Amino acid sequence: ETGVTQSPTHLIKTRGQQVTLRCSSQSGHNTVSWYQQALGQGPQFIFQYYREEENGRGNFPPRFSGLQFPNYSSELNVNALELDDSALYLCASSPEGWSFYEQYFGPGTRLTVT
Amino acid sequence: AQSVTQLDSHVSVSEGTPVLLRCNYSSSYSPSLFWYVQHPNKGLQLLLKYTSAATLVKGINGFEAEFKKSETSFHLTKPSAHMSDAAEYFCVVSVSSGGSYIPTFGRGTSLIVHP
Repeated sequence: ETGVTQSPTHLIKTRGQQVTLRCSSQSGHNTVSWYQQALGQGPQFIFQYYREEENGRGNFPPRFSGLQFPNYSSELNVNALELDDSALYLCASSPEGWSFYEQYFGPGTRLTVT
Repeated sequence: AQSVTQLDSHVSVSEGTPVLLRCNYSSSYSPSLFWYVQHPNKGLQLLLKYTSAATLVKGINGFEAEFKKSETSFHLTKPSAHMSDAAEYFCVVSVSSGGSYIPTFGRGTSLIVHP
């Protein structure tokens, strides 16, 4: 069974640019959630996608957007990057809807904005 | 509104001694509570969960936690620390609201285990 994978592992962008992060869900999982983890902080929930539709959102501005594809892989897009967007971005998949305790996390993408 | 406070940013123990990681929560409704562990360069892993069943919850790797509603606490314990337990630990509260379960993570406690 393949776990949750994320790409790229590391990324460096300039303020004002746009970035796309990718996540492949664990086999059989139709729900994916994204989190932002700033250095020294706990993860913050960005949003969740269930069967290709947004199914809950945390306190993040609209420049954070996402997509979920028919194969349940997912993208996180961030426009107009700011320095404070520098963080570890975590993706987690779960088998069905809001089963938070069934979430399986990927290793994350480290984004640095300069 | 919900929040979670991890009372210690760092906890240092010797191998073989007990571990106590403290967590207090605030929630307007009956919460679900979780502990996750994060090893360097690895994904978060669920240690245990409380979802309104037994108040003493047993998890993986010998960890357990007790839900105390009167104290709004969910402290994580282990009788005997192992070197491999050294990691970052997160307490999480999640409450159902309008069909969604937005999780709130604490800031984390770094567990240091000395030989």
